[in-house]
Amino acid sequence: QQQVKQSPQSLIVQKGGISIINCAYENTAFDYFPWYQQFPGKGPALLIAIRPDVSEKKEGRFTISFNKSAKQFSLHIMDSQPGDSATYFCAASKEGSGGSNYKLTFGKGTLLTVNP
Amino acid sequence: DAGVTQSPTHLIKTRGQHVTLRCSPISGHKSVSWYQQVLGQGPQFIFQYYEKEERGRGNFPDRFSARQFPNYSSELNVNALLLGDSALYLCASSSPGGEETQYFGPGTRLLVL
Repeated sequence: QQQVKQSPQSLIVQKGGISIINCAYENTAFDYFPWYQQFPGKGPALLIAIRPDVSEKKEGRFTISFNKSAKQFSLHIMDSQPGDSATYFCAASKEGSGGSNYKLTFGKGTLLTVNP
Repeated sequence: DAGVTQSPTHLIKTRGQHVTLRCSPISGHKSVSWYQQVLGQGPQFIFQYYEKEERGRGNFPDRFSARQFPNYSSELNVNALLLGDSALYLCASSSPGGEETQYFGPGTRLLVL
């Protein structure tokens, strides 16, 4: 039972192009949606995160679009660079006890390759 | 400031053996989570500890156990290792309250032969 479905599995983009990765979730109790970037041999690093009360959040070249009714969210990487080549994971969690989130549920990941 | 640190970086064990993985959270963080990442998949939640108490447990067998120490560092123990336990084991720390971001360490790569 996969609660967060991510697509595509891999993506090749030319330098300067837009990379788009999509995720869909099933559990309507999820209220925190982060995106992580992972380079080979490293742990995941938080890129950007959003909560369901906003439809879009932008940080630099990275934008999350969120559609609560469709239970979908996506990551857009503008002006993609070869240094962006990595595996990207979407995730979701719900507020746990004590007012904090725990148990991130991850998608299966998207391997992004940005060609020079 | 140092990030999340994990030891060892790599480990090779044989089936049936026991393994202990260690994690030190970011200074000031009191919550530690453990995740298993099998090659080509996203991380899967194993445990979370806060103030030395277990706050959440994923769908893993009882062979997996963990604990948190008074200095907030943590150990993950796996007994009776199986070939399928081969994975990258990630530790993440966070500071509960508000926007709780989980910061991941580099992981321990475990190979079970």
